[in-house]
Amino acid sequence: GDSVTQMEGPVTLSEEAFLTINCTYTATGYPSLFWYVQYPGEGLQLLLKATKADDKGSNKGFEATYRKETTSFHLEKGSVQVSDSAVYFCAGTSYGKLTFGQGTILTVHP
Amino acid sequence: SQTIHQWPATLVQPVGSPLSLECTVEGTSNPNLYWYRQAAGRGLQLLFYSIGIDQISSEVPQNLSASRPQDRQFILSSKKLLLSDSGFYLCAWHIQGRGTEAFFGQGTRLTVV
Repeated sequence: GDSVTQMEGPVTLSEEAFLTINCTYTATGYPSLFWYVQYPGEGLQLLLKATKADDKGSNKGFEATYRKETTSFHLEKGSVQVSDSAVYFCAGTSYGKLTFGQGTILTVHP
Repeated sequence: SQTIHQWPATLVQPVGSPLSLECTVEGTSNPNLYWYRQAAGRGLQLLFYSIGIDQISSEVPQNLSASRPQDRQFILSSKKLLLSDSGFYLCAWHIQGRGTEAFFGQGTRLTVV
């Protein structure tokens, strides 16, 4: 079946550091890929997405590029802020079913 | 506009008691509906998903069940709660299609004591 493999973490960074969270997806179809973010005590909200190979999703300084050859969708940010502290989930859809990775806890210190 | 309502926000229940969490969606038709559980410090585990009324798929064997009596209503239930049922439960909906995003409720914090 479909699966999403995500870097487990937790990840702890200092403010203005570079962030990478790895994500790869295995699917029988040709998935769309997403990153969701969950702030403390809240539900998930969409951060960015990509629907085809070489698409780059971007939002709030975060970026991820859909690499077809590896079905990867790594999340990056050049300079993180304390307010970026949250749980980040990689996800994919294939044939209508939404599959999530296990989530990565990010903590950014001043 | 589309919205999703999930309640209650917080629930404390004794072991062996029943459970009913409800989720309703507004502003869309025939959504795919999902129940997820997030244990403390852990990831998101898909419990059930539904592509239509009375069409429920269970992802993992467990003490819980789900029902979809109406197109935009999704209910998570248990006849007898276990301590291990404690966690953060999230309802979500999603329209099948390329690149369409999922929308999540605010979650229910369930503590079984």
